[in-house]
Amino acid sequence: DSGVTQTPKHLITATGQRVTLRCSPRSGDLSVYWYQQSLDQGLQFLIQYYNGEERAKGNILERFSAQQFPDLHSELNLSSLELGDSALYFCASSVEGENTIYFGEGSWLTVV
Amino acid sequence: GENVGLHLPTLSVQEGDNSIINCAYSNSASDYFIWYKQESGKGPQFIIDIRSNMDKRQGQRVTVLLNKTVKHLSLQIAATQPGDSAVYFCAEKASGTYKYIFGTGTRLKVLA
Repeated sequence: DSGVTQTPKHLITATGQRVTLRCSPRSGDLSVYWYQQSLDQGLQFLIQYYNGEERAKGNILERFSAQQFPDLHSELNLSSLELGDSALYFCASSVEGENTIYFGEGSWLTVV
Repeated sequence: GENVGLHLPTLSVQEGDNSIINCAYSNSASDYFIWYKQESGKGPQFIIDIRSNMDKRQGQRVTVLLNKTVKHLSLQIAATQPGDSAVYFCAEKASGTYKYIFGTGTRLKVLA
């Protein structure tokens, strides 16, 4: 158990809908990262937050957004969902100054 | 959560043999590297890391080798066990950045 908690574990939704994925980082970690893992593209970096502020951005679609709250948990919002958005979404966290990032168990999103 | 759809390179080894998993990284400015293990239905799990000022680091049954000249990283697993069956990813990060870039992964199959 990495200490990173993600909910929900599984989610099935229809095209055009919006979902929110939630992540609680390890105790004491200020940085949160979101990754997408799809069947044909491996682990793709989406976005990183540090202590509530966006720090780095990857290949995140405009239909997707994220935020980190004062209690350090983070949410990834996916809207106008398309079939191609079906994937595993991972959250990871790290302590500032420590390079190792620790992953949660992921949220499996299926868009039908 | 399985990478069953990914066309991953696969390494099959006999139980008890040593495994060597290779990774070519892309950025000559990368100064920190991590190996992760991802079992079916789970999030990537940290195995071992190495900084660019080292060329070898050993853990319990695992050794990571770094060749900066050819931008190559390898993970050696001694006395491979059935529990080592998983997908292994390397990740790189450049100094001063917060973005981890993951390789496509290698599937390790341990044959009894």
